[in-house]
Amino acid sequence: GQNIDQPTEMTATEGAIVQINCTYQTSGFNGLFWYQQHAGEAPTFLSYNVLDGLEEKGRFSSFLSRSKGYSYLLLKELQMKDSASYLCAVIDSNYQLIWGAGTKLIIKP
Amino acid sequence: GAVVSQHPSWVICKSGTSVKIECRSLDFQATTMFWYRQFPKQSLMLMATSNEGSKATYEQGVEKDKFLINHASLTLSTLTVTSAHPEDSSFYICSARTGDYEQYFGPGTRLTVT
Repeated sequence: GQNIDQPTEMTATEGAIVQINCTYQTSGFNGLFWYQQHAGEAPTFLSYNVLDGLEEKGRFSSFLSRSKGYSYLLLKELQMKDSASYLCAVIDSNYQLIWGAGTKLIIKP
Repeated sequence: GAVVSQHPSWVICKSGTSVKIECRSLDFQATTMFWYRQFPKQSLMLMATSNEGSKATYEQGVEKDKFLINHASLTLSTLTVTSAHPEDSSFYICSARTGDYEQYFGPGTRLTVT
């Protein structure tokens, strides 16, 4: 079967750095997304990785290792508004999006 | 670009009535649209995938006669929750895809059935 694993919840301090991991086993791979979702709102796009390596976009970076079936989202200089759920999703060989359950990130002052 | 709208943003209806939710891609043509449901503190659950002009493909466990999906054009898909019950109360989110992979999400519709 297809499976995406990410931690259920993480806590970090304002101004710090946090890394949210995602591992996947899917039938084929055509890219990996990270989305941010605030409570009561729809997800918003953060990043897309299809090649190995690190993609940096401001305070957020996303890393992919296809051989390891592994990705992480790195958030720097954490702000209170970063408190949200972070969803990892993989596109399989049929171009279907397979979703992880999401990681709830709690930022403390 | 790539904006998806949903209407209404929230709706309260009585048990037994039907509710229609619209999903529109405003500035692009969506080859495929997806309907998700999300219960509080849970992840997105894909309900169905619809392609313009063809019948929707429903995920296992989703009743096609209860959740009617019409993808009438490349910019509009509708989800009708028929004979709604309180357990149908949820956050319904649509997304639209153009090309092979990227999905753009609508803002969601919060349905409360009393």
